[in-house]
Amino acid sequence: ETGVTQTPRHLVMGMTNKKSLKCEQHLGHNAMYWYKQSAKKPLELMFVYSLEERVENNSVPSRFSPECPNSSHLFLHLHTLQPEDSALYLCASSQDVGGAFFGQGTRLTVV
Amino acid sequence: LAKTTQPISMDSYEGQEVNITCSHNNIATNDYITWYQQFPSQGPRFIIQGYKTKVTNEVASLFIPADRKSSTLSLPRVSLSDTAVYYCLVGDGDTGFQKLVFGTGTRLLVSP
Repeated sequence: ETGVTQTPRHLVMGMTNKKSLKCEQHLGHNAMYWYKQSAKKPLELMFVYSLEERVENNSVPSRFSPECPNSSHLFLHLHTLQPEDSALYLCASSQDVGGAFFGQGTRLTVV
Repeated sequence: LAKTTQPISMDSYEGQEVNITCSHNNIATNDYITWYQQFPSQGPRFIIQGYKTKVTNEVASLFIPADRKSSTLSLPRVSLSDTAVYYCLVGDGDTGFQKLVFGTGTRLLVSP
């Protein structure tokens, strides 16, 4: 238990569906992150929120839309995804220079 | 961001000490060095973080020479459950967050 909880753990969605991934952290951290990890590839940083403001957006397609309503919650809204978007999506949080703590991830399959 | 270089893979046996070295020649003054462990289909787990000299916790030790251009993660007496990918990251937390960019890491295989 890392203090970062992601739901759902598994998600199968069609290419025309809209779904959302949720992340919640109970650590009082001031930054939250979304990462994507495809099979056999390194983690790719997608978005960073610091003090609830988006500070990093690494050329992620617009079919991925993040939302950070408060310092404890982070969402990733998904719509019209492609099969190549199937991956493990990981949320993390950190405080200043401290290490980041990751959730268990959401295994997403796009069919 | 300082780039890091690690061996792609390492093999060890149960009970041995494992040392994984990471090179970060372009580390900046404000950068910290952090190591993570990742098992398949799970999120990375924070292991240890340091700025200089030596840091030790209940899991590992981190050795950082004076020039800080490299660091070594030391895992004492590894077990089969230490088989995982280990990542070395260098980041600056001055901005209030860390742009944590993961490389390919070091795949450690511990055998009986």
